[in-house]
Amino acid sequence: GAVVSQHPSWVICKSGTSVKIECRSLDFQATTMFWYRQFPKQSLMLMATSNEGSKATYEQGVEKDKFLINHASLTLSTLTVTSAHPEDSSFYICSARALDRTVSIDEQFFGPGTRLTVL
Amino acid sequence: SQQGEEDPQALSIQEGENATMNCSYKTSINNLQWYRQNSGRGLVHLILIRSNEREKHSGRLRVTLDTSKKSSSLLITASRAADTASYFCATDAGASGNTPLVFGKGTRLSVIA
Repeated sequence: GAVVSQHPSWVICKSGTSVKIECRSLDFQATTMFWYRQFPKQSLMLMATSNEGSKATYEQGVEKDKFLINHASLTLSTLTVTSAHPEDSSFYICSARALDRTVSIDEQFFGPGTRLTVL
Repeated sequence: SQQGEEDPQALSIQEGENATMNCSYKTSINNLQWYRQNSGRGLVHLILIRSNEREKHSGRLRVTLDTSKKSSSLLITASRAADTASYFCATDAGASGNTPLVFGKGTRLSVIA
């Protein structure tokens, strides 16, 4: 099956610093990747849709200047949490949909997630 | 994005019993998917059912879809302690490659040995 990786798997940082999370599709190309956030004991909430070569589309209530998304290639999207604060502590999960039918285009393939803790 | 509802929010059963979880959604869909998530871990894709399908099986899993009622159910038969996890339904509203999944609130299943 198609594999999506995330790096790092967990990160602890001080309040006010910036953290970059990478999402890579390892064996397929994806024009579109999605970023979700999950707080403890809650469901996944879509933050933004990342499109290769263009600006990301953010969901209502998500600050685009705080959560910077760059989708520079067909296999890599990055999410940078700028000036992180304790309330940004969460589980961040990316997903990708395949560009073509070499893998299922119906499915989204999820990364393993990144646990961010802001002290 | 609006989430669907799942019920129950939490379910506790004995090993060997069947577990049924329900999901309702609000918009027209292209397909509906079920995922499992162990505590603190990533998502595991369980099954995908398309809007023109009514029932699908995979091992001990049975999924039904009723598009007229905008609802789906996940049945896990002969449950095991290892089935303990949170289960989420997620709807895909579009046939194109740039529509996100919208997740339900999830059901926390506990299977007691």
